[in-house]
Amino acid sequence: QVRLQESGPGLVKPSETLSLTCSVSGASISSFYWSWIRQPPGKGLEWIGYRHHSGSTNYSPSLNRRVSISVDTSKNQFSLNLTSVTTADTAVYYCAGLAGRDNFYYLDVWGKGTTVIVSS
Amino acid sequence: DIQMTQSPSSLSASIGDRVTINCRASQSISRYLNWYQQKPGTAPKLLIYAASSLHSGVPSRFSGSGSGTDFTLTISSLQPEDFATYHCQQSYSTSPTFGQGTKVEL
Repeated sequence: QVRLQESGPGLVKPSETLSLTCSVSGASISSFYWSWIRQPPGKGLEWIGYRHHSGSTNYSPSLNRRVSISVDTSKNQFSLNLTSVTTADTAVYYCAGLAGRDNFYYLDVWGKGTTVIVSS
Repeated sequence: DIQMTQSPSSLSASIGDRVTINCRASQSISRYLNWYQQKPGTAPKLLIYAASSLHSGVPSRFSGSGSGTDFTLTISSLQPEDFATYHCQQSYSTSPTFGQGTKVEL
């Protein structure tokens, strides 16, 4: 059974960098496109981006200038960096695995989520 | 970005009811549409992918239909564990987007 677990600071100051890590167990890091999604309080889901272990990446156009996702195959982990954060970046952050079948892609496995608050 | 609009935003239903949730895309997305269920304080779970394909382990009372711009999620007979928020998501573009969610309440 695939399990994902997010970790990282729950509080980040404005203008600083938000850094989260997702640890993967029960699956090879090469199995999925590794993704980050967030959900601001009381709002809907927002896709942040994904990265494949091969290096291909895709980021949300609205976050593209501030976001990077990396994969560490030796640790079976992947990470999110979001720079220059503001209070608008306060959200629950989920890591997830994007899988595909017959060219249809879907978020198949999810972490439990971690709350990040941006505040001074 | 492709905009996804769900309706209604919330609905009240009873056990055993047939429930229908709609999702409309701002442009044609063929059948590149997924549905997720989210309960309070937990991560979303995949229900349906490719508009109508039931994900492994999902009860058969859930079904999806549609193509192009209009899609529907149907719960044939609402069960107590189905009270949750449902999200649609398009995977047609390289920038996936979600609907705003539909909350199903008792």
